[in-house]
Amino acid sequence: GDSVTQMEGPVTLSEEAFLTINCTYTATGYPSLFWYVQYPGEGLQLLLKATKADDKGSNKGFEATYRKETTSFHLEKGSVQVSDSAVYFCALSRQGNFGNEKLTFGTGTRLTIIP
Amino acid sequence: DGGITQSPKYLFRKEGQNVTLSCEQNLNHDAMYWYRQDPGQGLRLIYYSQIVNDFQKGDIAEGYSVSREKKESFPLTVTSAQKNPTAFYLCASSPPGGEQFFGPGTRLTVL
Repeated sequence: GDSVTQMEGPVTLSEEAFLTINCTYTATGYPSLFWYVQYPGEGLQLLLKATKADDKGSNKGFEATYRKETTSFHLEKGSVQVSDSAVYFCALSRQGNFGNEKLTFGTGTRLTIIP
Repeated sequence: DGGITQSPKYLFRKEGQNVTLSCEQNLNHDAMYWYRQDPGQGLRLIYYSQIVNDFQKGDIAEGYSVSREKKESFPLTVTSAQKNPTAFYLCASSPPGGEQFFGPGTRLTVL
């Protein structure tokens, strides 16, 4: 079945450092790939997505490229801020009946940015 | 404002009691989902519903039940058969072929 493996945390960085959170997936066919962010005590928010190979998703300075050859979707940001402290989830989706997508999540990576 | 609301934010239950978590959306989405989140395990799908009066089991449906009588509402009941119900519960909805939008969650604690 489908699965998502992401970098275990917690990850602690200094402000303005470069961030990479690794994500790889196992799936047949061509799933869509997502990064969601969860701030303390809240639900998940979609950060970015990519729907086909070589697509790059980007938002709020974060980027991730859909690499089918390495089955990866690594999250990167050039200069992190304290406000980026959160838990980050990598996920893939498949279209089920009626065109609705079912998500498979990784275990999440907790990121803490130190001033 | 359009969105998903979950209530209550915190819920306490005694062992052996059933409890119902509310999820309402005004986004006019057909599909709705319930997830359970445990530390270090990511999100796991409990139940999902693609249209009114229809729902399917997810990966961890045992000890849970749902109903979908209205498009806007997808309540989740945690029954006494659920052996370890303490967790953070997240509801989501999506339009056909679109991304999932999440509610703020309900934290359930069994005393």
